[in-house]
Amino acid sequence: RKEVEQDPGPFNVPEGATVAFNCTYSNSASQSFFWYRQDCRKEPKLLMSVYSSGNEDGRFTAQLNRASQYISLLIRDSKLSDSATYLCVVNRASGSARQLTFGSGTQLTVLP
Amino acid sequence: EPEVTQTPSHQVTQMGQEVILRCVPISNHLYFYWYRQILGQKVEFLVSFYNNEISEKSEIFDDQFSVERPDGSNFTLKIRSTKLEDSAMYFCASTSNSNQPQHFGDGTRLSIL
Repeated sequence: RKEVEQDPGPFNVPEGATVAFNCTYSNSASQSFFWYRQDCRKEPKLLMSVYSSGNEDGRFTAQLNRASQYISLLIRDSKLSDSATYLCVVNRASGSARQLTFGSGTQLTVLP
Repeated sequence: EPEVTQTPSHQVTQMGQEVILRCVPISNHLYFYWYRQILGQKVEFLVSFYNNEISEKSEIFDDQFSVERPDGSNFTLKIRSTKLEDSAMYFCASTSNSNQPQHFGDGTRLSIL
């Protein structure tokens, strides 16, 4: 089983649509969770951290279910600029420096 | 906003040659990382560095690879004898706290011919 598994995508949605991405992780000892976005041939950029209580940042809402080892990202009122690959990222519990483990990403294209 | 900087942006090298990729992490950060991303694949962890030593390394980070923090600002990745399969984007990242998000540089595209 992959350490971090995401919806394969791609997702093609019209502007203004709501879109949801799902992610599961296999290491139950993982402690920190993030969504990053990556534009074509660019570096991953932090979108938001994910907390157990759920958190929202504008049009973006992230949820974490530790019991199910499941993470989600909801994007409301999607914009053309939201087109990117969304990476589910988990902070491995081993080692002091806590490496990040990335999912393969879900590609989103928002269409005009 | 402070950022991680990487040089060069693109490096083209003959197979078997040595390359050094350079990174300047955010100044007050304590944890440093190298990741790579082969075209079309996911981002993969290579190595982490803390307190002037390697904290963890992946299976990818074999004897051909080394890291160094030669002064208070630079963090380098050296590949001693490059192979074709080393062609990838190499990202440097840093963070102040190992549980916090890591901030990535914009990467070095390494092309091995």
